[in-house]
Amino acid sequence: AQRVTQPEKLLSVFKGAPVELKCNYSYSGSPELFWYVQYSRQRLQLLLRHISRESIKGFTADLNKGETSFHLKKPFAQEEDSAMYYCALRQGGSEKLVFGKGTKLTVNP
Amino acid sequence: EAGVAQSPRYKIIEKRQSVAFWCNPISGHATLYWYQQILGQGPKLLIQFQNNGVVDDSQLPKDRFSAERLKGVDSTLKIQPAKLEDSAVYLCASSLRGPLHFGNGTRLTVT
Repeated sequence: AQRVTQPEKLLSVFKGAPVELKCNYSYSGSPELFWYVQYSRQRLQLLLRHISRESIKGFTADLNKGETSFHLKKPFAQEEDSAMYYCALRQGGSEKLVFGKGTKLTVNP
Repeated sequence: EAGVAQSPRYKIIEKRQSVAFWCNPISGHATLYWYQQILGQGPKLLIQFQNNGVVDDSQLPKDRFSAERLKGVDSTLKIQPAKLEDSAVYLCASSLRGPLHFGNGTRLTVT
């Protein structure tokens, strides 16, 4: 069965510091990996997806099939990055999306 | 483009009562999802529709939860009777072979 693990419930960094939110997955096929973000009082929204290989708001994530990981990184965190971040997996050919439990990122001034 | 609309935003009921949630997906999105998000956890898929057919309802507690998507557009999710552990945010999302777009959710409190 597919599973997404986000080992950190809470992550706190100072403004300007690098940040890495960890995500590991278990799935035997070819997965699609996503990061969704939920800012305070806003709806859950897509941040980035691995097939796009793009940087959104300074964030990047690389799919590492050997380590079954899809960690989210940003070299210099900003206060406005404070939010809940969810890693999600969609199995190839399916529309079903499975979420991790989320990491709450707090960027302190 | 208009987003996914959900109503109501909040609902408080007593256990054993019934409740219904409504979702209007983005126009043209064939796939509609209902997720349950309990406090401190990630969203859990309850049911997935493709047009008006059910694709996946393996995690839907069918003894008390039901959902329909008549005409392949709007959808309703019903709980009857509610239990305390049903307190959660119920999220609706839609997609068209791409990323999911979420509504604001309905926060249900069962007392």
